[in-house]
Amino acid sequence: EVQLLESGGGLVRPGGSLRLSCAASGFTFSDCAMTWVRQSPGKGLEWVSTINGITGSTFYSDSVRGRFTISRDNSKNTLSLQMDSLRAEDSATYHCAKDRLGNWNDGDAFDFWGPGTMVTVSP
Amino acid sequence: SYELTQPPSVSVSPGQTASITCSGDKLRDKYVAWYHHKPGQSPLLVIYQDAKRPSGIPERVSGSNSGNTATLTITGTQAMDEGDYYCQTWVSRTGVFGGGTKLTVL
Repeated sequence: EVQLLESGGGLVRPGGSLRLSCAASGFTFSDCAMTWVRQSPGKGLEWVSTINGITGSTFYSDSVRGRFTISRDNSKNTLSLQMDSLRAEDSATYHCAKDRLGNWNDGDAFDFWGPGTMVTVSP
Repeated sequence: SYELTQPPSVSVSPGQTASITCSGDKLRDKYVAWYHHKPGQSPLLVIYQDAKRPSGIPERVSGSNSGNTATLTITGTQAMDEGDYYCQTWVSRTGVFGGGTKLTVL
């Protein structure tokens, strides 16, 4: 059974940093691209970043590029998101998701999701 | 930036057919996925590559993509189908979600 469990959320001041983690199990982690998707309170889903499983290539939304860094440790089946220079608009529940594919292509989709961890950016 | 437009809400009677649209420029040239998100649960992939169903998704859930509009169709709608539905595509290696549609089964 595929399981994804995020951790590391919390309250942080604007301009601060936070590191999210996602523990994965139930599938061959290194074979799959992984993604972070967030949902702000009362808003819809927003794609944040994807990292390929095989090549390790990374992709970011314009809203987080240069501030967030996605990474993975295939030996520990762990996905991470380092979030720096946080802003109020980054407040959201952050979900990690397993991609259908090992390396991204335009037919990719997210076939399993974690429950999410909440990040609040406030003075 | 590229936008996907969904109706904010759709209502349907139990047993009837629900159709949720997702519009975007030349969307027919892109693959579309659909996700079902119930309150307190993780989102669930219900359609990928326009019309393919993941394992465990019933045949009464189907998808299509033509022109500038992708459509998610649920036949024989049940109370368990209520929730938010999001379409999603890729543009220049960037993921794009629609704004979401709240499906209510009256």
